[in-house]
Amino acid sequence: SYELTQPPSVSVYPGQTARITCSGDKLGDKYASWYQQKPGQSPVMVIYQDNKRPSGIPERFSGSNSGNTATLTISGTQAMDEADYYCQAWDSSTGVFGGGTKVTVL
Amino acid sequence: EVQLLESGGDLVQPGGSLRLSCAASGFTFSTHAMSWVRQAPGKGLEWVSVISGSDARTYYADSVKGRFTTYRDNSKNTLYLQMNSLRADDTAVYYCARAQQWLSGGFDYWGQGTLVTVSS
Repeated sequence: SYELTQPPSVSVYPGQTARITCSGDKLGDKYASWYQQKPGQSPVMVIYQDNKRPSGIPERFSGSNSGNTATLTISGTQAMDEADYYCQAWDSSTGVFGGGTKVTVL
Repeated sequence: EVQLLESGGDLVQPGGSLRLSCAASGFTFSTHAMSWVRQAPGKGLEWVSVISGSDARTYYADSVKGRFTTYRDNSKNTLYLQMNSLRADDTAVYYCARAQQWLSGGFDYWGQGTLVTVSS
């Protein structure tokens, strides 16, 4: 079965850039989406179709996807960005989520 | 405003059954594929199923195939998840989510989730 691999955790200082990777076989041939989830809340889409931001998502969130790796970049990270982040893609008719990355703002 | 409201979560014994509902509003329900996604306590997100908008094609995760059935009533703007032969590892918060595109895009709206606990 298809798998998406994320680092368990990423730490970043306020104002710095956080990069979260998501690896999967030929992931660049698929669309990747990213979700932010804060404790006790439902996930919120922050990136879709590799690099598009839904309405209301700050510009500091950006995405890329090439080869076997999709990357979510948070520029100028703020304390409010501390959360779990999940990548997601479709493998044929199966939805797949990465294991999630906990972003800690130091 | 798009809203998704799940209901039906409960405590159920192993081997039992439960039906979840997801009431949708604020968009043309019949034109959107919908998915169920679950999250076990302290764990990550797990995709469960997807159903197309008009012709109700369905696909399932291997972990629930043959036990869970997803269906929809477009006249009631409601999505359902019938869960049979429940096991302890089905314990999770179950979310319904709207799919942007059929088997291609992401999930742009999520409900608040409903908790299913499978325990004796």
